[in-house]
Amino acid sequence: QSVLTQPPSASGTPGQRVTISCSGSRSNIGSNTVNWYQQVPGTAPKLLIYSNNQRPSGVPDRFSGSKSATSASLAISGLQSDDEADYYCATWDDSLNCPVFGGGTKLTVL
Amino acid sequence: QVRLVQSGAEVKKPGASVKVSCKASGYSFGTYYMHWVRQAPGQGLEWMGIINPSEGNTNFAQKFQGRVTLTRDMSTSTVYMELRSLRSADTAVYYCARGGASYQAPFQWGQGTLVTVSS
Repeated sequence: QSVLTQPPSASGTPGQRVTISCSGSRSNIGSNTVNWYQQVPGTAPKLLIYSNNQRPSGVPDRFSGSKSATSASLAISGLQSDDEADYYCATWDDSLNCPVFGGGTKLTVL
Repeated sequence: QVRLVQSGAEVKKPGASVKVSCKASGYSFGTYYMHWVRQAPGQGLEWMGIINPSEGNTNFAQKFQGRVTLTRDMSTSTVYMELRSLRSADTAVYYCARGGASYQAPFQWGQGTLVTVSS
């Protein structure tokens, strides 16, 4: 059981916009910034979004993040076939004194 | 750019220990925390522990307390994770991941090291 709650799956067709939610609590998302990672099967997680809504260099602006209170969201616009991957959210938890992860969302491009 | 290069895959017998290395480059090694996270086959990400390379102090998930050690070598910008008393449930890919200058979730990740525990 993950501390952060994500939907196990999401899907969309090429060109579509999809969003993935990440729900937490006051001690984690409510108090700290959120990172998002993309993990293509068989490879390491890749930082996609940091500090709620910042993109590392090289990440397309089709990917965007937002945070409100104790929830965060990742939006992917102009969906492409190579966006098919697992997506994880993460943040620090002040009560547990450790980072916490969502359980991951498997994105399928139909 | 930040680069984390981990040691190669390992196969161990139950009860043995494994030591995985993570060599960092492209940034000031002592400034940023380093996390260790593992991922069992088909599962999500599980945080194991964190080390402050500058001071060497560590913090671990309760699940791994007493079974894992994190150390660092400032001269080679390398962090080591040792896991003892291995069991089959420890079969997983182990990642090092650079954190922030304070307690934050991980940012950049190493390529991962597969540890297989099998008799």
